[in-house]
Amino acid sequence: QSALTQPPSASGSPGQSVTISCTGTSSDIGNYSFVSWYQRHPGKAPKLLLLEITKRPSGVPDRFSGSKSGNTASLTVSGLQAEDEADYFCGSYAGSNNYVFGTGTRVTVL
Amino acid sequence: QVQLQESGPGLVKPLETLSLTCAVSGYSISRGYYWGWIRQSPGRGLEWIGGIYHSGSTHYNPSLESRVTMSVDTSKNQFSMRLTSVTAADTAIYYCATYYWAGPFDNWGQGTLVTVSS
Repeated sequence: QSALTQPPSASGSPGQSVTISCTGTSSDIGNYSFVSWYQRHPGKAPKLLLLEITKRPSGVPDRFSGSKSGNTASLTVSGLQAEDEADYFCGSYAGSNNYVFGTGTRVTVL
Repeated sequence: QVQLQESGPGLVKPLETLSLTCAVSGYSISRGYYWGWIRQSPGRGLEWIGGIYHSGSTHYNPSLESRVTMSVDTSKNQFSMRLTSVTAADTAIYYCATYYWAGPFDNWGQGTLVTVSS
């Protein structure tokens, strides 16, 4: 299985929105609703942001939202804040008890 | 709340075996969850290595299956992984995490850097 493809970087000014794409195949993203997103600040443990494409765990602000179309999932961060500067990874179930993650996107708040 | 802490040697020689342990606190391994390992090599994204259920059943990334073994020790509330015949390509930050059958990975350790070098 190949890694899901994400843009290496994305940026926006405070208050703006940024959208990160995550492209897979019909064997992973295209075939399942089990797409998740993670945020990781340098030196910290990754944090689950979204599960099953759009669901937010308790405590995650509604500024984080997700969607999926075909083989591509997207994460949108609205109302960017300085604390949103981090690495973001997508992940998807890939069938047969396998999982695949994305290549990661570094978000910079300008 | 589940807390996870990885431990193991920071340096492993090529062709030797990498062994890591993840200590679990705040939750009993026997209660459920899958217990997994994920890594990130320099300049690359996250890679799922595999996972183990509290019963001992395992699932491994097909690309690593021939070299990886995972185990669980319910008496110590910890789980472990071994990766044999390591090369420089196995240099990475290794994370342990909890997950459900189809994901997501909802609790993560902070990660431990393992360098493969002579």
